[in-house]
Amino acid sequence: DTEVTQTPKHLVMGMTNKKSLKCEQHMGHRAMYWYKQKAKKPPELMFVYSYEKLSINESVPSRFSPECPNSSLLNLHLHALQPEDSALYLCASSQGPTGATNEKLFFGSGTQLSVL
Amino acid sequence: RKEVEQDPGPFNVPEGATVAFNCTYSNSASQSFFWYRQDCRKEPKLLMSVYSSGNEDGRFTAQLNRASQYISLLIRDSKLSDSATYLCVVVPTGANNLFFGTGTRLTVIP
Repeated sequence: DTEVTQTPKHLVMGMTNKKSLKCEQHMGHRAMYWYKQKAKKPPELMFVYSYEKLSINESVPSRFSPECPNSSLLNLHLHALQPEDSALYLCASSQGPTGATNEKLFFGSGTQLSVL
Repeated sequence: RKEVEQDPGPFNVPEGATVAFNCTYSNSASQSFFWYRQDCRKEPKLLMSVYSSGNEDGRFTAQLNRASQYISLLIRDSKLSDSATYLCVVVPTGANNLFFGTGTRLTVIP
């Protein structure tokens, strides 16, 4: 199993809604990531979990709240988002933390989020 | 200065052509390099790692030039299915993050 599974694939939400994005991998990877990608731009790192602990928060607004319940699961809780938060949200995993030699990222297919 | 600079293109080439992309990086201590491919509205997928001695995978050749701090991707005999955005990725030594280039858009024309 070399997949990173993300749900939902598409999400439309209002600015007052609370929703969650989910990510799962069963490759035994110990690092998991959330990226945000706008159209025609590269992915931007949001959060990194290493061995189930938050190791990087790239100054992401508190309306985005990550959670890592166990080594296979990663959630992103969304609350009071703004229309400019509309983007493709990508989850990724790697065998070890980034920075170790030749760590490759495996991406999920993403959640296309629209905030109205 | 950006960590990674990449020509955004677009590159429009005919089928069968050879095309090359470059990507420059600013941190001389960078240790790991990759090329990813991303199709429209899809996730990035690893195309190949880039090794110091250069490496080849079928029609794709990746090279690293540490002295000039750039990596390259050469695609020979382009196919229509090669149309995508190609992202270079650089991991500095000791970094806990990796850095994406802006991506180069390739369109192979029949």
